[in-house]
Amino acid sequence: QSVLTQPPSVSGAPGQRVTISCTGSNSNIGAGYDVHWYQQLPGTAPKLLIYDDSNRPSGVPDRFSGSKSGTSASLAITGLQAEDEADYYCQSYDNSLGGSVFGGGTKLTVL
Amino acid sequence: QLQLQESGPGLVKPSETLSLTCTVSGGSISSSSYYWGWIRQPPGKGLEWIGSIYYSGITYYNPSLKSRVTISVDTSKNQFSLKLSSVTAADTAVYYCARLYCSSNSCQFDPWGQGTLVTVSS
Repeated sequence: QSVLTQPPSVSGAPGQRVTISCTGSNSNIGAGYDVHWYQQLPGTAPKLLIYDDSNRPSGVPDRFSGSKSGTSASLAITGLQAEDEADYYCQSYDNSLGGSVFGGGTKLTVL
Repeated sequence: QLQLQESGPGLVKPSETLSLTCTVSGGSISSSSYYWGWIRQPPGKGLEWIGSIYYSGITYYNPSLKSRVTISVDTSKNQFSLKLSSVTAADTAVYYCARLYCSSNSCQFDPWGQGTLVTVSS
């Protein structure tokens, strides 16, 4: 059981908008710790997609955006493309565990 | 461009010690701005942080693995290493190394190595 909870799967048609939630608690997201998002394409290593809740590294399209409120965070993907089909993970810090924690991952299927 | 590469045995026997090394190229492991870490992913499952190290040798471990994990750094070789003792089949996973940028508010992992599959089996 992951400390951060994500839906196992989401799907959407090309061009649509999808969101992936990441729910934590008062010892991680709710305590104000930053949330980061990673994209893992099939058979590859995870890649940083969003850092510090809502910032995009250089090269990440602005179709990807992040937000945070209370004990939850969200990743939104607009203008869905076939190449976005991947697993997405949220990550933060947990002060009761004293280290980094990941969500269980969400598989995005582009219909 | 910074690159990380994991290396080590792909097969380890139960009860033995898993040993992996991460070689950093394109940058110095002695940079004061970063930590270095290990993350693993069992087949078909999610990511689990194992632990992190600073170039000075300061370490942080996942409490669930702390009793079995040792992470060390060799600045002369620009490498850091992972040892996981008393392994079982549950330790079978792809092991990744990564650079961490840590602020006062958490750490982000970027970039990652390509990962190496370690299977625990007799």
